[in-house]
Amino acid sequence: EVQLVQSGAEVRKPGESLRISCKASGYSFTRYWIGWVRQMPGKGLEWMGIIYPGDSEIRYSPSFQGQVTISVDKSISTASLQWSSLKASDTAMYYCGRQQYSSSGDYFDYWGLGTLVTVSS
Amino acid sequence: SYELTQPPSVSVSPGQTARITCSGDALPKQYACWYQQKPGRAPVLVIYKDSERPSGIPERFSGSSSGTTVTLTISGVQAEDEADYYCQSTDSSGTYVVFGGGTKLTVL
Repeated sequence: EVQLVQSGAEVRKPGESLRISCKASGYSFTRYWIGWVRQMPGKGLEWMGIIYPGDSEIRYSPSFQGQVTISVDKSISTASLQWSSLKASDTAMYYCGRQQYSSSGDYFDYWGLGTLVTVSS
Repeated sequence: SYELTQPPSVSVSPGQTARITCSGDALPKQYACWYQQKPGRAPVLVIYKDSERPSGIPERFSGSSSGTTVTLTISGVQAEDEADYYCQSTDSSGTYVVFGGGTKLTVL
């Protein structure tokens, strides 16, 4: 059974750093892209970027390039999303998902439950 | 930047057919998919590759594509189908993934 288990909710102050994680199981981790999606309170879904664990190739949405860092640790089948200096506007739910990403279609077939990040002074 | 346009809301009575559209210039060239999201829950894939249905998704969910518009159709809507629905596709280069703004389906 494919599972994506995300780390727990986080509360931080503006300017602090943060890393959240997404641990995959039930499939060959290195053969599928993992993507991150932001959902701000009461708003829609926003694609942030994806990483291919096989070779760590990364693609960022232009809206998030330079704002976050996506990485992966193949040894523990875990993808991460990282901020070096949080802003209040980073307050959101963040989902990871296994993304089918090819000429045959791009879609998230499995999702994590989400990690709620709250940034407040 | 590339955008997908959905109506903000659609309302139907139980048993009727709901149709939710999604428009984008690259849709004739790129596949689209649809997600259902209920309050406080992660999204669930209901249609991929324009019209394919994942296992476990009821047959009343179907998808179609025509030109620059893709459509999610829910036949015989049930109360449990009330949710937000998002289309998703990629830009013309196939590099960047984009979500539509979402449509709130209300079952009257």
